Amino acid sequence: EVQVVESGGGLVQPGRSLRLSCAASGFTFDDYAMHWVRQVPGKGLEWVSGISWNSAKIGYADSVKGRFTISRDSAKNSLYLQMNSLRAEDTALYYCAKDLGGYGSGVDYWGQGTLVTVSS
Amino acid sequence: SYVLTQPPSVSVAPGKTARITCGGNNIGSKSVHWYQQKPGQAPVLVIYYDSDRPSGIPERFSASNSGNTATLTISRVEAGDEADYYCQVWDSSSDHPWVFGGGTKLTVL
Repeated sequence: EVQVVESGGGLVQPGRSLRLSCAASGFTFDDYAMHWVRQVPGKGLEWVSGISWNSAKIGYADSVKGRFTISRDSAKNSLYLQMNSLRAEDTALYYCAKDLGGYGSGVDYWGQGTLVTVSS
Repeated sequence: SYVLTQPPSVSVAPGKTARITCGGNNIGSKSVHWYQQKPGQAPVLVIYYDSDRPSGIPERFSASNSGNTATLTISRVEAGDEADYYCQVWDSSSDHPWVFGGGTKLTVL
């Protein structure tokens, strides 16, 4: 059974950092791109960042470029999102999601999300 | 950057057909994916690559994509179909290639 499980969310002050993790299982992690998508409660979905299966392609939303860094560790079947210089507008539920394929596809599996709250 | 436009809401009576549109410049040249999200739950893929259905998704869900509009069609709508629906494309010309539509709230009357 395919599973992606996020962790690392919490309450953090503006300007501080947080690292999200996503543990993947039930599929060959090295074969698929992965993504982070966030959602402010009551609002729509916003793609945050994506990384191809071999980390050769990486993309970021303009809203996080220069502050967030996506990475993956095939030995641990894990995806990460390093979030620096956090702002109040980064407050959201962050989903880890498995791509249908290499990078430019849709997502066929989503985690349940980890909540990030940026507030003083 | 590429923009996808969805109607904020669509209402339909049980047993009828719901159509949710997703507008974008020449969207017919891109692959469109559709997600269903019920309150308090993660999104679920209901259509991928314009018109394919993942296993477990009822045949009542279908979709098309042509010109400047992609359409998700839900036939014989049931109360359990009430949810938010999002379209998504991959814009290969952009540094931030993933784009979601703003979402459509489907209300079953």
